[in-house]
Amino acid sequence: AQKITQTQPGMFVQEKEAVTLDCTYDTSDQSYGLFWYKQPSSGEMIFLIYQGSYDEQNATEGRYSLNFQKARKSANLVISASQLGDSAMYFCAMREPLVTGNQFYFGTGTSLTVIP
Amino acid sequence: EAQVTQNPRYLITVTGKKLTVTCSQNMNHEYMSWYRQDPGLGLRQIYYSMNVEVTDKGDVPEGYKVSRKEKRNFPLILESPSPNQTSLYFCASSSGRPPLHFGNGTRLTVT
Repeated sequence: AQKITQTQPGMFVQEKEAVTLDCTYDTSDQSYGLFWYKQPSSGEMIFLIYQGSYDEQNATEGRYSLNFQKARKSANLVISASQLGDSAMYFCAMREPLVTGNQFYFGTGTSLTVIP
Repeated sequence: EAQVTQNPRYLITVTGKKLTVTCSQNMNHEYMSWYRQDPGLGLRQIYYSMNVEVTDKGDVPEGYKVSRKEKRNFPLILESPSPNQTSLYFCASSSGRPPLHFGNGTRLTVT
């Protein structure tokens, strides 16, 4: 079974609108961490946001927020007020230290295009 | 500046010719790891290291070797590269707390 599933290969959003990128995960661990990374066309991996499994509040970083629904095992990224510079590939990732040690699992990514 | 440095950025080689991709971090991180990125597959972990002389396999270790003789360096070695190892490779490091810091990537082509 896939550890991280991103079901949206490509998404389009109008500039200044909000967009939600979906991520579901599979783990039997009680303690795990969820991450989102952005990869622009230049190729580098940019860390956006982190959510710990015991964090009671959803993580937020500027225009990024993580909609964490533990029972549903989902960790969707919400980007508010989209900008042209948000056009990139976005990866969801998980680390489950107790079950798989220090392996990080990444999803297949979602390509986001922001339309002017 | 805190960073993870990979070299080279681009590499074209032929099947069977041994190569090494270097990775160095200046943040005194204990944890380092290597990933390969392929279209439609996301990033997959090749090897990781918790500390000097401690390495472990990730999801796709076949055809790769690593070593961790010093804390700052974690080279990836392809003893006999094959075309199916053509990929974008990332080195990453962490203090154990988020985030995972990535290098800028190495685009490898094996012909």
